[in-house]
Amino acid sequence: KNQVEQSPQSLIILEGKNCTLQCNYTVSPFSNLRWYKQDTGRGPVSLTIMTFSENTKSNGRYTATLDADTKQSSLHITASQLSDSASYICVVSAGGSYIPTFGRGTSLIVHP
Amino acid sequence: GAGVSQTPSNKVTEKGKYVELRCDPISGHTALYWYRQSLGQGPEFLIYFQGTGAADDSGLPNDRFFAVRPEGSVSTLKIQRTERGDSAVYLCASSQTGDGYNEQFFGPGTRLTVL
Repeated sequence: KNQVEQSPQSLIILEGKNCTLQCNYTVSPFSNLRWYKQDTGRGPVSLTIMTFSENTKSNGRYTATLDADTKQSSLHITASQLSDSASYICVVSAGGSYIPTFGRGTSLIVHP
Repeated sequence: GAGVSQTPSNKVTEKGKYVELRCDPISGHTALYWYRQSLGQGPEFLIYFQGTGAADDSGLPNDRFFAVRPEGSVSTLKIQRTERGDSAVYLCASSQTGDGYNEQFFGPGTRLTVL
């Protein structure tokens, strides 16, 4: 069964600090992995997409990494801002499938 | 439109009532998805449309749930005889194609509360 596990479930950090969120998956055959940001009361918005051959991708202060051998991904946020407070969801798609597998998300709270 | 829109944004209903939730996808997107999201959880797949047809409805929890997309654009999710357990945020997403690679663009969701 395809599964996506995220950790930690929640995280509180001070503004300006860095943090790293983790995603482990068992989706097969692997096609791509996306990180989404979901603000409270809004729909998820894609931050990055990574395919099998990519191991790092950046989007501003967000940097995603992918290790396809260990089936792990991380999302690193640099110099956090209050607006980074949101849920971050890891989503993995299998080859030939149109239905991605969603993680439960990591709830990030950035305090001033 | 500029993005995916959903109406209403909030719906409060009584147990046993019928509700309809509407989704307006991005123009030209052939793939449309409905998801249900409970507090603290990721979106849970309900149904996927490719054009006008429901290509996969395996996520619908039971026969009280039904969705249509008659002209290949707007979609309506219909819930009969609502139960308190149906309370959740219902998200709609669209993408250019349904190949699993193209980004899914999500609407803001409809928060359904069944009293």
